[in-house]
Amino acid sequence: GDSVTQMEGPVTLSEEAFLTINCTYTATGYPSLFWYVQYPGEGLQLLLKATKADDKGSNKGFEATYRKETTSFHLEKGSVQVSDSAVYFCALSPFFSNDYKLSFGAGTTVTVRA
Amino acid sequence: NAGVTQTPKFQVLKTGQSMTLQCAQDMNHEYMSWYRQDPGMGLRLIHYSVGAGITDQGEVPNGYNVSRSTTEDFPLRLLSAAPSQTSVYFCASKGDRGHYEQYFGPGTRLTVT
Repeated sequence: GDSVTQMEGPVTLSEEAFLTINCTYTATGYPSLFWYVQYPGEGLQLLLKATKADDKGSNKGFEATYRKETTSFHLEKGSVQVSDSAVYFCALSPFFSNDYKLSFGAGTTVTVRA
Repeated sequence: NAGVTQTPKFQVLKTGQSMTLQCAQDMNHEYMSWYRQDPGMGLRLIHYSVGAGITDQGEVPNGYNVSRSTTEDFPLRLLSAAPSQTSVYFCASKGDRGHYEQYFGPGTRLTVT
């Protein structure tokens, strides 16, 4: 079945450091790919998405590119802030599901220190 | 516009007890779902609904029941709680085709002793 594998954490960075969280997926066809973020004590929020190969999703300085050839959707940010401390989840939705069903990775906890 | 609301925020149950986790949304979304979040496992889909009167099982449905009598509400029932159901539960909703974002509630932390 469809699945997502993402980099295990936790990840601890200093402010202004570069962040990369790796995400690879297994799915048939062309799934939609997402990054969700969970701030402490809150529910998940959509950070960015991509729906077809070579699409680049971006939001709040974060970027991720849908790479069909490597089945990857790595999350990057060039200069992190303390406010970026959160748990980040990579997720996919099968092409035929109309984005109803999400399969999540295990989540990566990121802590940014001042 | 409150978005997706969940009650209670915290709950402790004894093994064998039953309870209902409440979820409501005010965005007129057709699609609603329940996930559980466990350490190292991400979120896993329990049940979902594509409209009032229509429900289906997700990845981990055993031990849980749902119903969808209105567009707004999607309660999750635990019939006989087990320690394996200790988890954080999230409800989510989504609009129709073309609306890709799922909106999540704040979660319910359930402990079964």
